[in-house]
Amino acid sequence: NAGVTQTPKFQVLKTGQSMTLQCAQDMNHEYMSWYRQDPGMGLRLIHYSVGAGITDQGEVPNGYNVSRSTTEDFPLRLLSAAPSQTSVYFCASKLSNTGELFFGEGSRLTVL
Amino acid sequence: AQSVAQPEDQVNVAEGNPLTVKCTYSVSGNPYLFWYVQYPNRGLQFLLKYITGDNLVKGSYGFEAEFNKSQTSFHLKKPSALVSDSALYFCAVRDGGSARQLTFGSGTQLTVLP
Repeated sequence: NAGVTQTPKFQVLKTGQSMTLQCAQDMNHEYMSWYRQDPGMGLRLIHYSVGAGITDQGEVPNGYNVSRSTTEDFPLRLLSAAPSQTSVYFCASKLSNTGELFFGEGSRLTVL
Repeated sequence: AQSVAQPEDQVNVAEGNPLTVKCTYSVSGNPYLFWYVQYPNRGLQFLLKYITGDNLVKGSYGFEAEFNKSQTSFHLKKPSALVSDSALYFCAVRDGGSARQLTFGSGTQLTVLP
């Protein structure tokens, strides 16, 4: 099993550009989520999904969109990138309500 | 509301000595508590969790944590630190009686000195 796979690992954007961070998991987890990690702030939840066709906002959803058309994939879209979105992004999934999260390796995004 | 605090940004310990990384939490209901570790340029890895049952939880790599309800704490401990334990450690909590999602602490950088 590959676990949680994120692409790309690194990306540089200019302000106003759009892009999609891809996330795929092969563990048949219903729950998937996106976090951003900034120094001294821990991980903050952007969006999450409890199953295909169901998404909800987390703590910092502004500027990001998500969709969940399949159990395996949970892409994160930046419609118009801003420098404040410079961060490391992590996708994570889990099997159950009390289960632990499995994280991808992260995607480092820089917005100039 | 739910929150978690890691009061120490940095913990230094000598190899072979016991280590403690502190975590306190606040939830309305019963807490689900987790510890994760992050090595440089990697994703977070699960260490251990407390959902219910014994207050002392044993996890990966010789780590353990004690759930203390009266002090609302869940400190991570290891009897004998290794240089390879040097990493960033995150405590996380969610209110088990609600639909709220996991909240992470700000992280504690552990450095084990040889």
